[in-house]
Amino acid sequence: AQKVTQAQTEISVVEKEDVTLDCVYETRDTTYYLFWYKQPPSGELVFLIRRNSFDEQNEISGRYSWNFQKSTSSFNFTITASQVVDSAVYFCALRGFQGAQKLVFGQGTRLTINP
Amino acid sequence: EADIYQTPRYLVIGTGKKITLECSQTMGHDKMYWYQQDPGMELHLIHYSYGVNSTEKGDLSSESTVSRIRTEHFPLTLESARPSHTSQYLCASSESGGGYTDTQYFGPGTRLTVL
Repeated sequence: AQKVTQAQTEISVVEKEDVTLDCVYETRDTTYYLFWYKQPPSGELVFLIRRNSFDEQNEISGRYSWNFQKSTSSFNFTITASQVVDSAVYFCALRGFQGAQKLVFGQGTRLTINP
Repeated sequence: EADIYQTPRYLVIGTGKKITLECSQTMGHDKMYWYQQDPGMELHLIHYSYGVNSTEKGDLSSESTVSRIRTEHFPLTLESARPSHTSQYLCASSESGGGYTDTQYFGPGTRLTVL
């Protein structure tokens, strides 16, 4: 069975602080894909990043960076110099390579950036 | 990035009414999905389709039904709405081919309230 755990239910920081959102996953597949999505108050899910299990290179996109570590089954997301517009619920998700290839979502982390 | 549309965005309706939530995408994606989400909570897959005339139930049992007569259109129907159906419904689509290309892109969602 596949499972994604986002242990941080809510995080609140002051603007310009750095913040890391944790994601731990479980899967028996040797090939799998990890995703992060952002859900702002308007409700839509915005795709942020996809990472393949065979590519452990960390990625940086502007103020966003992702740290993928297979040894600890983690795919953490860091926002540097946070801004109020970063306030949203963030979801980590996992998809296996075989079978129905369904996305399994974590419970989400509600991030609030205070001015 | 996929162009995927959902209507209506908001719907308030009385118990017992029949409703259809519309979802359309213009990217020619073969795969389409319906998720149910309580506000700020994790997403649960309720239906998916891998192509025309193909529909499957997801992980969360739902009284809704779906159809896939055209590639671009994946409507969800509730024959008799109940207050327990109050939720947000998110539609998504992705390419076929699996692997690296199979990222799901989401529509803006429909927030349904049944009185």
